[in-house]
Parts: sequence; C-alpha cells; structure tokens
Amino acid sequence: AAGVIQSPRHLIKEKRETATLKCYPIPRHDTVYWYQQGPGQDPQFLISFYEKMQSDKGSIPDRFSAQQFSDYHSELNMSSLELGDSALYFCASSPRDHNYGYTFGSGTRLTVV
Amino acid sequence: AQSVAQPEDQVNVAEGNPLTVKCTYSVSGNPYLFWYVQYPNRGLQFLLKYITGDNLVKGSYGFEAEFNKSQTSFHLKKPSALVSDSALYFCAVRDSLGGADGLTFGKGTHLIIQP
Repeated sequence: AAGVIQSPRHLIKEKRETATLKCYPIPRHDTVYWYQQGPGQDPQFLISFYEKMQSDKGSIPDRFSAQQFSDYHSELNMSSLELGDSALYFCASSPRDHNYGYTFGSGTRLTVV
Repeated sequence: AQSVAQPEDQVNVAEGNPLTVKCTYSVSGNPYLFWYVQYPNRGLQFLLKYITGDNLVKGSYGFEAEFNKSQTSFHLKKPSALVSDSALYFCAVRDSLGGADGLTFGKGTHLIIQP
C-alpha cells in the first residue's frame, strides 16, 4: 500500500540558511499535518492543511511557513535556521474525517550546524 | 486544551510476560485516542485507536488497549511480550471539541523486553 512520502530523508544546513521539506500524502488523503520531534522529545504539532487551505496551527515558529498544492503535496519552508531547529520533521496525512487515523511518513532529519 | 500523560519513562518486561504501558488523558469533549510505536530513527507506526464503541480496542501486532472513561485512561496491553516489541511507544489524543486538527502526544515510554 502507498504510504506518506517525505523528502529528503536527511538534510544538513548551516545556521541562517533556508530549507524546504516536502511531503506527498497517501492518494485520496486531502489533509496534511506537520510535526517536529526534537531529540528525545515527543512530536509537536506544527500546522495542518485541508484542501490547500491552512486548517490548524500549532507551535510553528514565524520563521517557518508551509503550503499545500493542488496535487495535495505539501512543503514546509524554514528560514533563518537555528541550531535548535535540528529535529526530525514528520508529515502525516488523513482523509478529512481524520478519526480514521493519521498515517505518518518516515520523516526528514534536519541537522543545523 | 488537550493533554496526555505517560507516567513511565521506561517499562521493563521479561519476554513472554504480559505488558502494560500506561496513558492518561485530559480533554474538554470526547477523546479520540491513539497509540503509535517508534523504532530508532524511524517514523511513527500506527498501532490502534479509540474513537467510539467498544472500550477494548484491538490493534496491530497483538496489542490492545482499554478505554476507561471514569479513569481517563487508555493503557496499552499485550498478553505475551516479544523482544521485537522493544521500542518507544507514544499515546496521543485529539479533543472532539475545539476544532483542533493536531494530535497531542505524551512524552513516550521506552518499552524494553528482556530475553
């Protein structure tokens, strides 16, 4: 079965650089969620999109932005990177009736040096 | 506001013995509850969920969880542990009220199954 695809798997950036993470949801899933998991931490909800519109907002820094495109894939744009942004970034997708559950991707590990 | 507590950082169980990983929650409305498992450097794998209906929920890999509304708990259980069950387990909740999309996760419990 198709899963949530995230790219790249690993990314190394320097401080103050920008990064773009991509997420391709499961086919027919129209809702996408982004989470950040710091080292030894639980995943923290950042932002979600439904039908290309922002649906909910969590603890996403102002330096980050995201969008969902017409093919439902989503991109998380991160600017002015800081050392503390080093984390595993997960994308999840679901049908709009997300009580059926969320399927997570394998994540992108971002290291800021 | 929604919150989840996993009171144990680590649970140690001998292989073949039953295991329990504890989770309690707090929501304003009705809870939608989930358990996920994470292996090192891997994504979150869905185990099971409670939305409505029977309080005992059966999931993947022989795991089950019991929803207890009076105790606001959703403990994860398995009758006979395997060494391969060793991983990090997260309980998560979403409140039926407030319109929040995102799940709130607990801090996670390291499950260690000893041969």
